[in-house]
Amino acid sequence: SYELTQPPSVSVSPGQTATITCSGDKMGEKDTCWYQQKPGQSPVLVIYQHNKRPSGIPDRFSGSGSGNTATLTISGTQAMDEADYYCQAWDSSTPYVFGTGTKVTVL
Amino acid sequence: QVQLVQSGAEVQKPGASVKVSCKASGYTFTNYYIHWVRQAPGQGLQWMGIINPRGGVTSYAQNFQGRLTVTRDTSTSTVYMEMSSLTSDDTAIYYCAREGSNDGFDIWGPGTMVSVSS
Repeated sequence: SYELTQPPSVSVSPGQTATITCSGDKMGEKDTCWYQQKPGQSPVLVIYQHNKRPSGIPDRFSGSGSGNTATLTISGTQAMDEADYYCQAWDSSTPYVFGTGTKVTVL
Repeated sequence: QVQLVQSGAEVQKPGASVKVSCKASGYTFTNYYIHWVRQAPGQGLQWMGIINPRGGVTSYAQNFQGRLTVTRDTSTSTVYMEMSSLTSDDTAIYYCAREGSNDGFDIWGPGTMVSVSS
């Protein structure tokens, strides 16, 4: 089965850049989505097709991918960005697999 | 507005079945796939299955093959998720989510808490 691995946690100071990685075989070649989930809430799509933002998502959120890694970058991180983040990709062996999740803490 | 509304919390005994509903509104029901995703307490997201509301074709994750059934009722724009042979490991929040035209899950329901306990 296909697996996506993320770091359990990332800490960032307000105004700085947070980088969240998502590792999986040939991940850079797959269309990747990223979701933000705050405590007690449903997930929200923040990035689709590697680097596109849905309407209403701030441009401080960006995505990229290369090799076996996809990356979500939050530039100028704000306190409101504190949340869990999940990557997602499609693979023939494990459709619509989610990453293990990363807790972003804004210190 | 576009939204998915789910049925209320459930408490079931081990070995029982549960059926959760997801009612869509604000868009053409048959134009978008619906997925089911669950999240155990303190854990990550787990994809369960998908249905194409237009023809009712489904696909399920390997882990749920044989005990998960997803159906739809086009007359009420509602998708149903039924899971049998429940164990305590099935205690989780169950979400339905719409797959948008951009291939991401762009609309999520509020989630339905299913607790399995004797």
